[in-house]
Amino acid sequence: EAQVTQNPRYLITVTGKKLTVTCSQNMNHEYMSWYRQDPGLGLRQIYYSMNVEVTDKGDVPEGYKVSRKEKRNFPLILESPSPNQTSLYFCASSSSRRRTEAFFGQGTRLTVV
Amino acid sequence: SQQGEEDPQALSIQEGENATMNCSYKTSINNLQWYRQNSGRGLVHLILIRSNEREKHSGRLRVTLDTSKKSSSLLITASRAADTASYFCALGDDMRFGAGTRLTVKP
Repeated sequence: EAQVTQNPRYLITVTGKKLTVTCSQNMNHEYMSWYRQDPGLGLRQIYYSMNVEVTDKGDVPEGYKVSRKEKRNFPLILESPSPNQTSLYFCASSSSRRRTEAFFGQGTRLTVV
Repeated sequence: SQQGEEDPQALSIQEGENATMNCSYKTSINNLQWYRQNSGRGLVHLILIRSNEREKHSGRLRVTLDTSKKSSSLLITASRAADTASYFCALGDDMRFGAGTRLTVKP
């Protein structure tokens, strides 16, 4: 089954404690991205990756890091989480950046206290 | 970079009625997509419409794109309780999302 898998689904952490949210897709997609969703703001793109070892900032990259060492994986790293990073996070993938549908993971609800 | 602006923010209808939601934008785009999100879950792709297309259908869904007015509409016909969800438009290759329309279909 074609899917994007995120882990964990739920996470409560403390300010400053480094964490990683994993994302994996099994569709051999080149393009992957991370979004955060906050009430009234819709989804905002954090980072995206056009292919292995190619990443770039989205609209709200501050406080986040990503890496793309393998085609299927695109982890999101919060080196020093802060309460304003409490949000619902989604990973998405598509065959290319242009004019193709995106497949989304089920989301990771992160709370930073 | 622009975001789509969905209208209305919320819509409540009875089962069997049609639901129409709109997406407006400011600068030209080469394509527009519509997605559905059930409460707190991942988004599911519905339809992609290119800038040279005016209308597309998929089952009970009909999407129009008016590039002169910079707007798109999503029509869901004969709605069902299972259509209750938030609906988002995503603009262009960068997929800029708006805040969405929350649709409630009452049985």
